[in-house]
Amino acid sequence: GQNIDQPTEMTATEGAIVQINCTYQTSGFNGLFWYQQHAGEAPTFLSYNVLDGLEEKGRFSSFLSRSKGYSYLLLKELQMKDSASYLCALRSRRALTFGSGTRLQVQP
Amino acid sequence: EAGVAQSPRYKIIEKRQSVAFWCNPISGHATLYWYQQILGQGPKLLIQFQNNGVVDDSQLPKDRFSAERLKGVDSTLKIQPAKLEDSAVYLCASSSLTGKVNTEAFFGQGTRLTVV
Repeated sequence: GQNIDQPTEMTATEGAIVQINCTYQTSGFNGLFWYQQHAGEAPTFLSYNVLDGLEEKGRFSSFLSRSKGYSYLLLKELQMKDSASYLCALRSRRALTFGSGTRLQVQP
Repeated sequence: EAGVAQSPRYKIIEKRQSVAFWCNPISGHATLYWYQQILGQGPKLLIQFQNNGVVDDSQLPKDRFSAERLKGVDSTLKIQPAKLEDSAVYLCASSSLTGKVNTEAFFGQGTRLTVV
């Protein structure tokens, strides 16, 4: 089976940088995905990592360390619209398994 | 490109009643997923189809939930009879090919079910 852990809630200030961590235990996976979900809306794809290292995509970056069972999502130059839940998910042969998500509140 | 379509958006039913949800995936997407998302939690996979075949339904409560994708395109998820704990958002997602590791899943807007 798979177990994915994320902090439940985080608060950050507009313009700042925030790092959302994700740790996991799994027997194997093909890739790690990050999704953003605004309240009452569907999850939308942000980034994915297959190999160890950092993937940068504008204000968002995601890092993966397979040996440590660890990933993080880095959000730079935070904006109020970044207030949302951020879901870490593992893709195996069969499907995408999600963590419970981290609810980020951006304050002025 | 049209996204994943789901209907209805909202549904309120009494416990022990039945309900059905419909999903039309992105055109050409072979893989279709149904997820259940309870408030404050991440989406939980209920069932995954590859074309019209079931790949994984290990977490589907088969005594009350059923799903089909007869022609390998759109799909329906049914609950009969519903329980209070079935209150959740039911998300449908699709992706182009499971074998590719970087294949992202695209989600529909979901159906918010309230069982009273």
